[in-house]
Amino acid sequence: QVQLQESGPGLVKPSETLSLTCSVSGGSFNTYYWSWIRQPPGKGLEWIGFISESGFSNYNPSLKSRVSLSVDKTKNQVSLKVTSVTAADTAMYYCAGDEGAGYFDYWGQGTPVTVSS
Amino acid sequence: QSVLTQPPSASGTPGQRVTISCSGSSSNFGAISVNWYRQFPGTAPKLLIYTNNQRPSGVPDRFSGSKSGTSASLAISGLESDDEADYHCAAWDDSLRGYVFGTGTKVTVL
Repeated sequence: QVQLQESGPGLVKPSETLSLTCSVSGGSFNTYYWSWIRQPPGKGLEWIGFISESGFSNYNPSLKSRVSLSVDKTKNQVSLKVTSVTAADTAMYYCAGDEGAGYFDYWGQGTPVTVSS
Repeated sequence: QSVLTQPPSASGTPGQRVTISCSGSSSNFGAISVNWYRQFPGTAPKLLIYTNNQRPSGVPDRFSGSKSGTSASLAISGLESDDEADYHCAAWDDSLRGYVFGTGTKVTVL
């Protein structure tokens, strides 16, 4: 059973960079596309981007200029960076896995991020 | 931003059937399957229906999905109090080359 665990600072100052890590265990890291998805308080889900074990990635155009994903195969980890954050980036951030069929079989529990000075 | 449109809320009494709609466009619904996720308060979403009408192991057959053209639906029959949750539709969008989610529907059991 694949398990995902997000981690990172819960508070980020405006204009700084948000950095989160997703640690994957219990499954085959290299058969999945790993996505980051966020959910502002009281709102719907927004896909941020995905990356494969080989580093193939794509991003939501609305965030592409500020987002980057990276993968560490040795640690089975996927990382997210969002630059120049504002209050609009305050959200619960989830890591999720898609085995290539277009849906997310596995989700992490999420990690809350607040952007505030 | 959401590009799939869902009603903000739906409700029913125990035992009733509730249907939730999800409207997309040809770039995301044309030839692509729709998936549904259920999210209880304070928890992560979980896959409920995949590829339009398939249920993962453990999901009761009270939940069913369908798709026609650029619209999809999730039906919950025999509504139970434990079905109170947020329901999100989602699909792969060819023009975006990424995933899109619906606006989400909160189901309330009266």
